[in-house]
Amino acid sequence: SQQGEEDPQALSIQEGENATMNCSYKTSINNLQWYRQNSGRGLVHLILIRSNEREKHSGRLRVTLDTSKKSSSLLITASRAADTASYFCATDAGSQGNLIFGKGTKLSVKP
Amino acid sequence: EAQVTQNPRYLITVTGKKLTVTCSQNMNHEYMSWYRQDPGLGLRQIYYSMNVEVTDKGDVPEGYKVSRKEKRNFPLILESPSPNQTSLYFCASSLGVLGANVLTFGAGSRLTVL
Repeated sequence: SQQGEEDPQALSIQEGENATMNCSYKTSINNLQWYRQNSGRGLVHLILIRSNEREKHSGRLRVTLDTSKKSSSLLITASRAADTASYFCATDAGSQGNLIFGKGTKLSVKP
Repeated sequence: EAQVTQNPRYLITVTGKKLTVTCSQNMNHEYMSWYRQDPGLGLRQIYYSMNVEVTDKGDVPEGYKVSRKEKRNFPLILESPSPNQTSLYFCASSLGVLGANVLTFGAGSRLTVL
């Protein structure tokens, strides 16, 4: 059962530009998380935003959540080549609070 | 170092030859889970465990078994692997699902079934 859907599927930008990725989901949630995956490696947790929060920051990351539209966005400011990775949103909409992951956005940052 | 360790990292096997992928965590986490990742399909949950001796099916459990005899270990068993189980597998763990289920992932196990 697919809950989160990221958009776009792929994104290519130049170093220094901002990258924005979006996530839409279908059912009510308690929290939404963003994870990062370097090619073929394990996912790493980036940030969690609760349903009663609208915006959250962590370093160069900014996450927003709009529960009325059932959507979230991840903004990476002043991107670097090292930000090249796939980014996944995950919601706790699974049975017993299990996380359901989207298919991810593949970000490429060119030096 | 807090981590989730999977073994083997890479494996090529043949149809029908039973195999086990081990997963161990050193964080005293209650919750553990297995995912498979396939191109275009994202991460799909295979099985999960809320605690010792408690396991449940995820979205794609067919062809897999798990056990949770100890808190730290959660092996994934393929009794009779088939080519459609060729995939990248991830084990993950967290303190629990109550509140916020923030997962720590292993490095992945790439399995090829010929």
